[in-house]
Amino acid sequence: QQQVKQSPQSLIVQKGGISIINCAYENTAFDYFPWYQQFPGKGPALLIAIRPDVSEKKEGRFTISFNKSAKQFSLHIMDSQPGDSATYFCAASIETSGSRLTFGEGTQLTVNP
Amino acid sequence: ETGVTQSPTHLIKTRGQQVTLRCSSQSGHNTVSWYQQALGQGPQFIFQYYREEENGRGNFPPRFSGLQFPNYSSELNVNALELDDSALYLCASRRTPREAQHFGDGTRLSIL
Repeated sequence: QQQVKQSPQSLIVQKGGISIINCAYENTAFDYFPWYQQFPGKGPALLIAIRPDVSEKKEGRFTISFNKSAKQFSLHIMDSQPGDSATYFCAASIETSGSRLTFGEGTQLTVNP
Repeated sequence: ETGVTQSPTHLIKTRGQQVTLRCSSQSGHNTVSWYQQALGQGPQFIFQYYREEENGRGNFPPRFSGLQFPNYSSELNVNALELDDSALYLCASRRTPREAQHFGDGTRLSIL
């Protein structure tokens, strides 16, 4: 059962533009929502994470928006750079149940110079 | 640098064989999780160990097993390898349940 659905599958953005990736979840028990960035040949690296007690979290050029009632959350990358070209994964977990991460299918982001 | 080291980086096996993948975590990282990432997909949770005991398992058969050692290293063992086991196997560790999981760069396993 796919519990976290991610879209789009791929995204092409011009340098300086805004990249937006969306995720939707089904399990209302999820209480931790991280985003990971993965480069070819590397493991996922944590970018930013949010818990459902806030609706938005910003760290540098990266912002998570969270809509608890819609069971959706999204990643916004402002001023996108060619170095941001990577695969992005949203994930969700239940922290009180051991924190196993359920990942989305991934979005391959390409930022053109 | 996450402090999580996996070995080997690449491995080729044939169907029916057995394989052991290794992970070394930072000191104090009591929780280690293993994930399988098929090509073009998100990682899938295999199982988790806390203080040397399994305390959570995903939808994987018993031929996937693990060990965690007191020196913060761990192993993933897979018996009776199948073609569908070809994937990137990721290890992730953390100190406390509230901390983010830090991933290694994985072992690429190919089954012929």
